[in-house]
Amino acid sequence: AQSVAQPEDQVNVAEGNPLTVKCTYSVSGNPYLFWYVQYPNRGLQFLLKYITGDNLVKGSYGFEAEFNKSQTSFHLKKPSALVSDSALYFCAVSTSGTYKYIFGTGTRLKVLA
Amino acid sequence: EAQVTQNPRYLITVTGKKLTVTCSQNMNHEYMSWYRQDPGLGLRQIYYSMNVEVTDKGDVPEGYKVSRKEKRNFPLILESPSPNQTSLYFCASSPDRAGANVLTFGAGSRLTVL
Repeated sequence: AQSVAQPEDQVNVAEGNPLTVKCTYSVSGNPYLFWYVQYPNRGLQFLLKYITGDNLVKGSYGFEAEFNKSQTSFHLKKPSALVSDSALYFCAVSTSGTYKYIFGTGTRLKVLA
Repeated sequence: EAQVTQNPRYLITVTGKKLTVTCSQNMNHEYMSWYRQDPGLGLRQIYYSMNVEVTDKGDVPEGYKVSRKEKRNFPLILESPSPNQTSLYFCASSPDRAGANVLTFGAGSRLTVL
């Protein structure tokens, strides 16, 4: 069965420091991996995705993520955090031909000024 | 503007009183889906639709119904709401089946069942 794990409920980081939000997955076949962000009282917004090709994916607002097949991970990163990055982040996985996305439980990112 | 619109955004109701949460998209997307978001559980899929008149159960369909009579609309129906259906609900759409497609989400509907 497909699954996604986000092991940290919350990540705190100081403004200007690099941030990492972790995600690991389990699927049969080749995964399609996504990161979405949710700001208060808003729906989820797409940040970036990995489908195939280069393992380092760049997305919106300076975020990037690295696909690691051997570790089945897709961690979200940003070199320098902003207070405005504070939000709830969801990792999701899907596979070719499926009608389903599986979402992780979410990680709340708090960037401290 | 391309968007998914949900209504109502907030609703307080009582056990057993039927309600419908509407969802409409203006992007001509074939695929639509409903999720519920609960603390510690993330997003769980309730129902999805691959096209008009084609729907299927997600992971947590109990207590919910859906219909897809038009491409743009995908209402979520709670025939007899119960307190365990208190949650934040999201509708989402994508051009066709999941896989590599990006989901576009509505703003959410917060439902409280007393």
